[in-house]
Amino acid sequence: ETGVTQTPRHLVMGMTNKKSLKCEQHLGHNAMYWYKQSAKKPLELMFVYSLEERVENNSVPSRFSPECPNSSHLFLHLHTLQPEDSALYLCASSQEPGIQPQHFGDGTRLSIL
Amino acid sequence: RKEVEQDPGPFNVPEGATVAFNCTYSNSASQSFFWYRQDCRKEPKLLMSVYSSGNEDGRFTAQLNRASQYISLLIRDSKLSDSATYLCVVTENNRLAFGKGNQVVVIP
Repeated sequence: ETGVTQTPRHLVMGMTNKKSLKCEQHLGHNAMYWYKQSAKKPLELMFVYSLEERVENNSVPSRFSPECPNSSHLFLHLHTLQPEDSALYLCASSQEPGIQPQHFGDGTRLSIL
Repeated sequence: RKEVEQDPGPFNVPEGATVAFNCTYSNSASQSFFWYRQDCRKEPKLLMSVYSSGNEDGRFTAQLNRASQYISLLIRDSKLSDSATYLCVVTENNRLAFGKGNQVVVIP
């Protein structure tokens, strides 16, 4: 199933690097999300976009910077990350924002050295 | 109190047996409930929605108990391919809140 595609699948970066995660959805959905999943923790919602407008920012540090150029694409720009930022970053989409079921991408497994 | 609580397990289940587990939620105003399945190092996938009247999909049965604020998932005739983590998802303030998951390991 390729409804929501994320690249890269794996990323190793140093704390001073700058990189970007990409997400693309082919489902015609209007809402897109970034989640962080750390070991032994529940999924943490980071950002919500509805029709390219950010509607939620869950107190995420500024070293994470989202960008939504259109309703099908979502980026997460990373800079000066910390070791505790190592996690699985999941992109998801839903028809509308809020309480509808979400479809997830494969995720990007990020390791900060 | 955490929004969504699940016993992480693991739940070791002999193949062919039945396993059931609950998830409790803190917000009595929650409106929608889901079970997601997440395989090791994969993304979560929607397993089923949970309706007030309960619902069944093949070997999987989901129930909602609003009075006690929990939902349950029962898996009958467990298959090896059912080994996964089952995430409880509850709506909270117009967004989805995820539990840590119940890890199920089906043993041959």
